[in-house]
Amino acid sequence: QQQVKQSPQSLIVQKGGISIINCAYENTAFDYFPWYQQFPGKGPALLIAIRPDVSEKKEGRFTISFNKSAKQFSLHIMDSQPGDSATYFCASGWRYSTLTFGKGTMLLVSP
Amino acid sequence: NAGVTQTPKFQVLKTGQSMTLQCAQDMNHEYMSWYRQDPGMGLRLIHYSVGAGITDQGEVPNGYNVSRSTTEDFPLRLLSAAPSQTSVYFCASRPPPGQGGGYTFGSGTRLTVV
Repeated sequence: QQQVKQSPQSLIVQKGGISIINCAYENTAFDYFPWYQQFPGKGPALLIAIRPDVSEKKEGRFTISFNKSAKQFSLHIMDSQPGDSATYFCASGWRYSTLTFGKGTMLLVSP
Repeated sequence: NAGVTQTPKFQVLKTGQSMTLQCAQDMNHEYMSWYRQDPGMGLRLIHYSVGAGITDQGEVPNGYNVSRSTTEDFPLRLLSAAPSQTSVYFCASRPPPGQGGGYTFGSGTRLTVV
């Protein structure tokens, strides 16, 4: 089973700050690296995803940075807001096959 | 509303009882899967299906059965529940190759086995 190592387990950021969550994957053949956001009592929802042929993708305040040689990718949340407080999961795999998820990061943005 | 519907939302079982967790999607997605979520363990794949009549095992399949008789439905069966199966279960589907978007998850079933 391919592993996805996610860190940190939990993160506290002040409102307006930058939240950074990191993931490391194993299989260099993977072609799909999404991030999911989960609020309490809800299912995970796709936040942003990247393919390995680009090094960065930005959607609003959310940016994925991808380092293929290091087999690492990270999620940056700019101008973090209390409404961003949630659990974030990275995943890796093939876009049209199964995904392996990281263990999650609980983000708390303090007002 | 289009999406993935899971029932029930909550369930308490006694050890040894059986039950079926229901999952239905109305997006005509061929691929469907079941995950369990446990504290500190993330989402682990139980079983998945790439279309009606086709299923396969994921990372943690023991104690669970699935079948896929229609594109819309993908039920998960616990034949003899054990306390280790206490978890939150999520069903997910995804569009076929060539269409955008990632997995769509249901809202989950919280199962407690006593």
